[in-house]
Amino acid sequence: SQTIHQWPATLVQPVGSPLSLECTVEGTSNPNLYWYRQAAGRGLQLLFYSVGIGQISSEVPQNLSASRPQDRQFILSSKKLLLSDSGFYLCAWSSTSQGPTEAFFGQGTRLTVV
Amino acid sequence: LAKTTQPISMDSYEGQEVNITCSHNNIATNDYITWYQQFPSQGPRFIIQGYKTKVTNEVASLFIPADRKSSTLSLPRVSLSDTAVYYCLVVRNSWGKLQFGAGTQVVVTP
Repeated sequence: SQTIHQWPATLVQPVGSPLSLECTVEGTSNPNLYWYRQAAGRGLQLLFYSVGIGQISSEVPQNLSASRPQDRQFILSSKKLLLSDSGFYLCAWSSTSQGPTEAFFGQGTRLTVV
Repeated sequence: LAKTTQPISMDSYEGQEVNITCSHNNIATNDYITWYQQFPSQGPRFIIQGYKTKVTNEVASLFIPADRKSSTLSLPRVSLSDTAVYYCLVVRNSWGKLQFGAGTQVVVTP
């Protein structure tokens, strides 16, 4: 069965510090991968999505970046965090081998920038 | 992908049926309609997906009229645990992109 791992669960970082959130998927190959951010009481904002290694689409211009060094690994990074980067970050995957299918989400990372 | 519009919030009592309508006027021929449910501090969970007419599973029903410009998610006999945010998405497999809107906050009270 497929599983998605996202860590850490919570993170408190000072302004100006770097960030690295990692997400890995098991049990499937060549998945679509996604990073979302959710501010308190708001909907999900799509940050990045990837349909294959080295193929990353950025949806929102900001100080965040994403990389997909391996087929089932998706990393969200920042060189210098801003207060506005605080939020709930979610990684997700969906299958590319079938028709439109459901997306599966990780448990999320609660990031607080102080 | 077609933009979706759904109510910001809906209130209901336990045991009632809740119907959430989503508008997607610019839906394309190869687009599907998908609904997700999200509880606080959790990732969204897939509920149901459909292309046209009616789809039913153990959780909900999805009604899609012939013109496919809207869809209605029906939650039968809701309980307190159905209090959540419900998202309507238009998806296209060839594109891979999954764009969530603001969703509908459903609050179920005793």
